[in-house]
Amino acid sequence: QKEVEQDPGPLSVPEGAIVSLNCTYSNSAFQYFMWYRQYSRKGPELLMYTYSSGNKEDGRFTAQVDKSSKYISLFIRDSQPSDSATYLCAMKAAAGNKLTFGGGTRVLVKP
Amino acid sequence: GAVVSQHPSRVICKSGTSVKIECRSLDFQATTMFWYRQFPKQSLMLMATSNEGSKATYEQGVEKDKFLINHASLTLSTLTVTSAHPEDSSFYICSARGRVFGTINYEQYFGPGTRLTVT
Repeated sequence: QKEVEQDPGPLSVPEGAIVSLNCTYSNSAFQYFMWYRQYSRKGPELLMYTYSSGNKEDGRFTAQVDKSSKYISLFIRDSQPSDSATYLCAMKAAAGNKLTFGGGTRVLVKP
Repeated sequence: GAVVSQHPSRVICKSGTSVKIECRSLDFQATTMFWYRQFPKQSLMLMATSNEGSKATYEQGVEKDKFLINHASLTLSTLTVTSAHPEDSSFYICSARGRVFGTINYEQYFGPGTRLTVT
């Protein structure tokens, strides 16, 4: 079993819809949770960075962390075709530098 | 701010040759740099972590003699793939963290990646 599980998709939604992404994890030591967006053949771009449980909102993006369920989510409101990309969740324990990534979910926003 | 560049963006080499990939932090001091590889439709796998002026720490299963990492300054790290073979063909991505605008920042900023094809 992988430490971080993420549905690979593709997740196809119409423009303007809400995109809902999630990851589950098994390592209770993870304290920092991140979402990255990666366009094809490009490096990942940090979207959201949260610590421990709770919600965080930034523009059209909302990140949620539920440590009791070992479950994190990313919501994208008013999705645009430019949001079409692969979204990667990543996690880190309090100690050390290592990020553990999910496999990524490919999202397609259709005009 | 917090921009990381990589060079080259794409390289094709013959089997048995060595290839060097550069990773630079353009506007901040990168005290720690990370090297990842990514196969098609797969996630990023950490290869090694390097701190400026120290030897790199390699992840289990990564051959340190094959993937040479140098982090000689606060803005530059290099990855050299020695005696490359077709199975080394992959997308190599670096990331960096350090002092951004004078403040220690624990986030990792990623470069755009280098696509290596070994023929």
